[in-house]
Amino acid sequence: GQNIDQPTEMTATEGAIVQINCTYQTSGFNGLFWYQQHAGEAPTFLSYNVLDGLEEKGRFSSFLSRSKGYSYLLLKELQMKDSASYLCAPMDSNYQLIWGAGTKLIIKP
Amino acid sequence: IAGITQAPTSQILAAGRRMTLRCTQDMRHNAMYWYRQDLGLGLRLIHYSNTAGTTGKGEVPDGYSVSRANTDDFPLTLASAVPSQTSVYFCASSELVGSYNEQFFGPGTRLTVL
Repeated sequence: GQNIDQPTEMTATEGAIVQINCTYQTSGFNGLFWYQQHAGEAPTFLSYNVLDGLEEKGRFSSFLSRSKGYSYLLLKELQMKDSASYLCAPMDSNYQLIWGAGTKLIIKP
Repeated sequence: IAGITQAPTSQILAAGRRMTLRCTQDMRHNAMYWYRQDLGLGLRLIHYSNTAGTTGKGEVPDGYSVSRANTDDFPLTLASAVPSQTSVYFCASSELVGSYNEQFFGPGTRLTVL
């Protein structure tokens, strides 16, 4: 079957760094997406990885290891507005996104 | 219209009633999707359409139907609503080209079935 595993909730301090891990098992693999979802809003795209390694985009970076079925999202210089849920979504052999339940990130001053 | 719109924003519905959730996109994306999102669960795919005139079943299609008469619109119908269909419904679209499938989401419809 297909399975996505992320921590349910994490807490971090404003200005700090946090890493959100995601492990996955899918039927085939065609890349992995990270989305951000603020409470009561729609998910919005953050990053996409298809090859192993780190993709950096401003304060956010995403890492992928295909052999380990593992990805992480790294958020630097945390701001209060980063309080949101972060959704890991690998893409299977049918190009469908398989969504994790998301990690709720709480930022404290 | 800019992006994806959904209507209504929210709805309270009596069990047994028929309901259609509307979704329209103006990005000329070929693929469209309907998801439901429940607390503690990931987005679950209900139905999808890779191109106008075709539809497919997702992970949780029972009790729902869709149609894709043109590129822009992708309505979702609940033929006879049940309380377990209480959820937040998101429509999404993507320009499904090759292996890249970034999906853009509408604002969602919050549906309560009593």
